Formats: sequence, C-alpha cells, structure tokens
Amino acid sequence: SAVISQKPSRDICQRGTSLTIQCQVDSQVTMMFWYRQQPGQSLTLIATANQGSEATYESGFVIDKFPISRPNLTFSTLTVSNMSPEDSSIYLCSVRQRQGIETQYFGPGTRLLVL
Amino acid sequence: AQSVTQLGSHVSVSEGALVLLRCNYSSSVPPYLFWYVQYPNQGLQLLLKYTSAATLVKGINGFEAEFKKSETSFHLTKPSAHMSDAAEYFCAVTNSGNTPLVFGKGTRLSVIA
Repeated sequence: SAVISQKPSRDICQRGTSLTIQCQVDSQVTMMFWYRQQPGQSLTLIATANQGSEATYESGFVIDKFPISRPNLTFSTLTVSNMSPEDSSIYLCSVRQRQGIETQYFGPGTRLLVL
Repeated sequence: AQSVTQLGSHVSVSEGALVLLRCNYSSSVPPYLFWYVQYPNQGLQLLLKYTSAATLVKGINGFEAEFKKSETSFHLTKPSAHMSDAAEYFCAVTNSGNTPLVFGKGTRLSVIA
C-alpha cells in the first residue's frame, strides 16, 4: 500500500493568514484527493488534485479559498487561504492505487486550529 | 447517487464481546465497499474492502464484513473485542475507480473492561 506523509502534522494559525499543507506519497498513484474532517464529523471531499491542471472542486469548495497544486504524480499541496476559526479541522490527503480494484489510502492528517 | 448509512453513532461493548457495526449502502450499480478505522489523532487506516470476489471479506485485526446484496448491507464484525479496538469506524462506497468515495458518518466504538 502507498505510504503518505503530510506536513505539517499540526498548526495553530491566526485568522486572516494562509497555510499550505504538503502531501508526499512514496509511489505513483492514479488519483489524489483532499478531504476535510471537522471536529467529531465524517470526511468531506474538498477536491480531486489533477496532475498538471486545475483541481476538481466539490460543491461548496472554491479555488480561491482552497488552491491546490499537483506538479507530479506523487506530490500535492493544499492551501487554506484567509483562514477563519471555521476552518479549524483535520485536513487529509488521500490517494488511490490499483490493487485488484482501486483502493484508497489516507495520510495521517494535518490538524489545524485557527484562532 | 451513492450513499452510506451507519446505524449508531456510538457503540459500546465489553471486552471479549462481539463487535457489530452496521453499514447500509445505496447504489444503482454494483458497489465497491470499504471499512476504515481512525484511532485518536491519526489518519484513516483501511480495514478491509469488498471487491465482489467473495461476499465474506476478512480484514486486519480480526475484523470481517459480509456483503449482503439483498439487504444492501456490509456490516463489520469481530468475534471478541479488545481494548485496542476503541476507535472511530467509517464505511465507504464507490462505484468505480474514478468516482470519489462516499463516507458514512462514522461509528465510535468504545470497549469497556
């Protein structure tokens, strides 16, 4: 299975600032995703990170707020822009790999607290 | 459209007792189904996946799940709970490799000594 690392693992930020989260996977994968998990909640898909092109955002998420890059097959970044306390969440990078069927794996998450 | 319903946001069992976490899905085509576990302050770990090869799927840590098409269910079980099983469990469904996973709301499992 893919091994996924995320940086930073956690951060405390002031409102109005931006934070960029990095996701690195140890092997080539077919798809990369970014999820948000608000406290005590399930996972919500933010966007699919597309290599070399603009990410595909889910309803309720926009590029200006959550710009995403994916310069190659194993690396992606998510920026949380102009943060507010409502952005306090766990942000998870996820990848798909073909193992029989497409199987999805998750990184350890980035725990963000916005004051 | 796909959806997943996990019955019971919180399940509490005694150590050594049977664990049963319920998951029902809705899908217009044959689904791929997954169970993930999230330990406190960690990411999600894949427990097991249904690939249509066998209806009874065995996963890690002694967990298994049975796919029942007639009941549109994919319940997760473990014969004997251990304290280390205390975690949040998520059921997820997708139709294909290009369709994002849809997650249930999760079930928090507590194990009482």
